[in-house]
Amino acid sequence: AQSVTQLDSQVPVFEEAPVELRCNYSSSVSVYLFWYVQYPNQGLQLLLKYLSGSTLVKGINGFEAEFNKSQTSFHLRKPSVHISDTAEYFCAVISTSYDKVIFGPGTSLSVIP
Amino acid sequence: NAGVTQTPKFRILKIGQSMTLQCTQDMNHNYMYWYRQDPGMGLKLIYYSVGAGITDKGEVPNGYNVSRSTTEDFPLRLELAAPSQTSVYFCASYTGTELFFGSGTQLSVL
Repeated sequence: AQSVTQLDSQVPVFEEAPVELRCNYSSSVSVYLFWYVQYPNQGLQLLLKYLSGSTLVKGINGFEAEFNKSQTSFHLRKPSVHISDTAEYFCAVISTSYDKVIFGPGTSLSVIP
Repeated sequence: NAGVTQTPKFRILKIGQSMTLQCTQDMNHNYMYWYRQDPGMGLKLIYYSVGAGITDKGEVPNGYNVSRSTTEDFPLRLELAAPSQTSVYFCASYTGTELFFGSGTQLSVL
């Protein structure tokens, strides 16, 4: 079975500063990895995904993430955040044989003007 | 395509009542999921289905039931509503590379 840990429940950061949101997963099989964003009072939107190939993946709104198999991590980064990035960010994992999509508890990113 | 459609958007139940949350997708996806979202707890998987006639339990299935008679529909049934089931419920379908979410159902059990 897969599991996902997001160590930081809340991350405050000043506008235009860089940010990293951490995600670690546990799985005995190969996985696909995702980051989803949820803006206040809205549904979930895909930011980016790792399926195979290059370990550095780029997503929407200037976000990128790096898959590290040895450390079982998939950290999300942005070099310069904007007020509009204030949202809840969720990391998710599914085995490549497809069954359950498991989400982490989420990280609340607050961008301070 | 409408994508994933959930109804109702809001509902208030009394303790012990039952209800069905509806979920329909028009993308012909085999994989469908039900999640509940509680503040600070992320999304917890309730049930999922890998195709018509096949369902399985997720992380928090107690108090819920599902059925999947067609590819399009994946309803979630609450038989005896309890205050602990107050939550936001999301249905999703999976392409193999991406989850598509419905807009959610906000349920309060009082």
